[in-house]
This record gives sequence, structure tokens and C-alpha cells, in this order.
Amino acid sequence: EAGVTQSPTHLIKTRGQQATLRCSPISGHTSVYWYQQALGLGLQFLLWYDEGEERNRGNFPPRFSGRQFPNYSSELNVNALELEDSALYLCASSLGYEQYFGPGTRLTVT
Amino acid sequence: GNSVTQMEGPVTLSEEAFLTINCTYTATGYPSLFWYVQYPGEGLQLLLKATKADDKGSNKGFEATYRKETTSFHLEKGSVQVSDSAVYFCALSPSSQGGSEKLVFGKGTKLTVNP
Repeated sequence: EAGVTQSPTHLIKTRGQQATLRCSPISGHTSVYWYQQALGLGLQFLLWYDEGEERNRGNFPPRFSGRQFPNYSSELNVNALELEDSALYLCASSLGYEQYFGPGTRLTVT
Repeated sequence: GNSVTQMEGPVTLSEEAFLTINCTYTATGYPSLFWYVQYPGEGLQLLLKATKADDKGSNKGFEATYRKETTSFHLEKGSVQVSDSAVYFCALSPSSQGGSEKLVFGKGTKLTVNP
């Protein structure tokens, strides 16, 4: 069974640009979660999508947004990038309470 | 609200030493508890879990027992190996009933095991 996949592995952007990160969940999983792992800040919950709807949102500004497609894959968009957005962005999928994580996308903002 | 506190690292041990990483939590209701491990340059892997009081999760020689009376879920391993070097995260999910909820993580404990 394939695990959670994320693309790209690395992404380098300049301040003010937009970044798009993608996630494919484990087959059969309907929920997708996004987390930010910034240096020194630990893992912070960003967004939760289930059945195509946004179910919950962490304490992040509106320039962090996303969506979930009919095949349950998901996209995270970060607009007007700031230097402090540099982080590892992790996607997880679940069918119940247990979440399975992908390898992450390393976003670097210069 | 829900929160997880785990011991600050880094922790450095010699091979075959005993490992304990403390984790305590604050939650309403009956959360599920998890330990995740993150090897260098990788994402998180679920190491073990427990969904109700007195449950013991175990995997790869690691164990943790869900203690409701002390709100703790300490991670232990009797004999660590160099390959156990990683960052360990304690986490809770507010729901134990199968509903999907965001995970609340501790700050992580970096473990280095020397040969």
C-alpha cells in the first residue's frame, strides 16, 4: 500500500511570491491534514480537510489556504510569502484518529 | 485546551542504555495518545499509540502506558541502538471515538545514541 506522498520535495521561493504544495493521501483515506514544522516552533496544525470541506484551521493568517479535490488529494497555497514561512510542511491522512504522515515539502523563502 | 508537554532535549545515551522520555498531557474528555518518530531528513512515522487508560502501546522495543491518573504517556526502551537516534514527538488526538481531529504535539525530544 502506497503511503502519503508530497510534492515537491524542496521548493525555493522569494519573498512575496506564492507557493503551492501538493499531497496525495493513502488510498481510502478521506481526511487530509497540513502541519508546519518551523525551526524552534515544533509542529503546528495548519488545516484539516475532509470530504472536500475545510473542517478546522489553525492559528495562521488567511494567506495560508488550501483545498481538497474529489480524489481526496490536497493542495496548500501560501500567498505573499514571508521569510518566516520557511519550514517543513507535512501532510497527513487518516480514516479515523490515526494519522499517517508524508515525507514533507521543505519550503525555503529567500 | 489540549496540550502536550515533553521533556526538553537533547538526550544523549550510549548504546544499550535505558531510555525514558517523559510526556504529560492536558485534555478534556478521553484523548488518544501517540508517539511519533522523525529520522533525520524525513517525515513523521507513527511509533506507537494508546486509545484508553491503562493501554500499553509497543513497537520496535519501545513502550508507553496511558496513565490517566498522572496524565502521562512516557516513552521507554530497555536498550537503545545507534539507529534509534531521531527526534521523538508525543502527541494527542482529542477523540478516541474514531472521529478525525487535529493532533496536538509536544515540542519534540532529540535523541542521540553513541556507539
